[in-house]
Amino acid sequence: DSGVTQTPKHLITATGQRVTLRCSPRSGDLSVYWYQQSLDQGLQFLIQYYNGEERAKGNILERFSAQQFPDLHSELNLSSLELGDSALYFCASSVAKGGGGYGYTFGSGTRLTVV
Amino acid sequence: ELKVEQNPLFLSMQEGKNYTIYCNYSTTSDRLYWYRQDPGKSLESLFVLLSNGAVKQEGRLMASLDTKARLSTLHITAAVHDLSATYFCAVVTAGNQFYFGTGTSLTVIP
Repeated sequence: DSGVTQTPKHLITATGQRVTLRCSPRSGDLSVYWYQQSLDQGLQFLIQYYNGEERAKGNILERFSAQQFPDLHSELNLSSLELGDSALYFCASSVAKGGGGYGYTFGSGTRLTVV
Repeated sequence: ELKVEQNPLFLSMQEGKNYTIYCNYSTTSDRLYWYRQDPGKSLESLFVLLSNGAVKQEGRLMASLDTKARLSTLHITAAVHDLSATYFCAVVTAGNQFYFGTGTSLTVIP
């Protein structure tokens, strides 16, 4: 157990729907990162939050949004889902803004299947 | 945009053999990480390389970093089946953003 908790582990939903993925960072970590992993795109950085504020944005679609709450857990909202959104979504956390000397700690991921 | 390329993308090797995975990146960075991912699982941190010339070893894996050449290597010595996994390098930019390589899928054959 890495200490980063992601729920749910699996999610199957229909096109056009909206889902929320949840991430609780490791105790003491202030940064949360979201990544999408698909077979054709590899690991794509989506967005980072540090202590409740958005810090960096990657290749995140406008249909996707995220937030980090005062208790530091984060949620990734995916709306108007398309078949191509099917992927593994990882959350990672770190103490420092940029991972510092220890890098990221990854959660076990949420496998999203859009049918 | 920073590009991180790994080669080979796929590697099939026999048990007991040695091999090296290469990670090239396109811009200045002084921090590089190696991760391992088993199928359907999360990414596990293997090494953190923080300076030019850094070398880290753990068991049959050894990682090194040459920031001048913008190159990191992951050397596998006397491979065993348990090392079968996908290996990613990740480079950190001055803006503290991680960029992951394409991954190298390693299969060790008995």
